[in-house]
Amino acid sequence: DTEVTQTPKHLVMGMTNKKSLKCEQHMGHRAMYWYKQKAKKPPELMFVYSYEKLSINESVPSRFSPECPNSSLLNLHLHALQPEDSALYLCASSQDEGRETQYFGPGTRLLVL
Amino acid sequence: TQLLEQSPQFLSIQEGENLTVYCNSSSVFSSLQWYRQEPGEGPVLLVTVVTGGEVKKLKRLTFQFGDARKDSSLHITAAQPGDTGLYLCAGDRSTASKLTFGTGTRLQVTL
Repeated sequence: DTEVTQTPKHLVMGMTNKKSLKCEQHMGHRAMYWYKQKAKKPPELMFVYSYEKLSINESVPSRFSPECPNSSLLNLHLHALQPEDSALYLCASSQDEGRETQYFGPGTRLLVL
Repeated sequence: TQLLEQSPQFLSIQEGENLTVYCNSSSVFSSLQWYRQEPGEGPVLLVTVVTGGEVKKLKRLTFQFGDARKDSSLHITAAQPGDTGLYLCAGDRSTASKLTFGTGTRLQVTL
């Protein structure tokens, strides 16, 4: 099983809303990632968690707040987003950080109004 | 500076034609993955190559990793409409802890 699941599939939110994106994997992977992808562009790394600890923050604005409650779950809390934050948000996991094949979830399509 | 350049950026072909997508870099990669992504969906892993000169086949898709592990190619034989999508190469370098994505190649296969 190489499945990474993400919820919700689609999300529309206003600039004053607070929402959360969820990601789950049951492959026993110890590294989990959040990416942001704009249309027709490759994914851009946002955060990396390794063994449930934040390993990399790619200078992401504080209105994005990641959380890793346990080794199978990864959340991305959203607050006071801007319209330019509208994108496809992808979660991925790998056996270990960085040097392993990453498996991606289906993504959450986010629209900020 | 984009470390992984893909070419072509866009390719529109008819069903049954063959094509090759290239992924080039001046950096050496420990391994390289190829993904296919459909609009609004996450990238789906096609293959991982780790050895210089390695060739892997997946049905009508043939993947090659360059001898120096700086480049890779994806060849599709007899393309079908189901092959339509964004093809991404992604490599990991021993000096970096994150994956480097290529610029992407959008393939459209028409009947």
